[in-house]
Amino acid sequence: EAQVTQNPRYLITVTGKKLTVTCSQNMNHEYMSWYRQDPGLGLRQIYYSMNVEVTDKGDVPEGYKVSRKEKRNFPLILESPSPNQTSLYFCASTDGNQETQYFGPGTRLLVL
Amino acid sequence: EDKVVQSPLSLVVHEGDTVTLNCSYEVTNFRSLLWYKQEKKAPTFLFMLTSSGIEKKSGRLSSILDKKELSSILNITATQTGDSAIYLCAGRIQGAQKLVFGQGTRLTINP
Repeated sequence: EAQVTQNPRYLITVTGKKLTVTCSQNMNHEYMSWYRQDPGLGLRQIYYSMNVEVTDKGDVPEGYKVSRKEKRNFPLILESPSPNQTSLYFCASTDGNQETQYFGPGTRLLVL
Repeated sequence: EDKVVQSPLSLVVHEGDTVTLNCSYEVTNFRSLLWYKQEKKAPTFLFMLTSSGIEKKSGRLSSILDKKELSSILNITATQTGDSAIYLCAGRIQGAQKLVFGQGTRLTINP
């Protein structure tokens, strides 16, 4: 089954404790993205990747890092999480025609 | 600054009604506009539209882009309670995977 998986699905952590949210897709897609979704602000793009070792900033990259060492994986790293990074995070991958974007199930993060 | 604005922000109608959701965009190097449906989980893709003006249809849903007005509409006919969701539109920038989303329209269909 074609899918995008994220782990963990829920995470409660404390300020400053580094964390990684993993994202993996099994569709051999070149393009992958990370978004955060906050009430009243909609979905905002954090980072995206056009291919292995090719990443670029979205609209809200501050406080986040990503890497794309393999085509299937696109982890999101919070080196020093802060409470304003409490949010719902989605990973997505897009097919080569760039017509269909598949979203992962989401990771709900709470930073205390 | 790239911007996508949706209206209305919230809409409540009765089952069987027809609804029209609006999306306007100001995106530099515009490539395409995408519509998504989000229920209590991740967004699911509905349509991709380009400046060609070709209408897209899927069952009771249809959408078209007006490149002169820099806007798009999403129509849903004979609405059902299962259509209740947040509908998102996003503008894609040429040559990149950068997407700018609108705030979404929360559609509620009452039986």
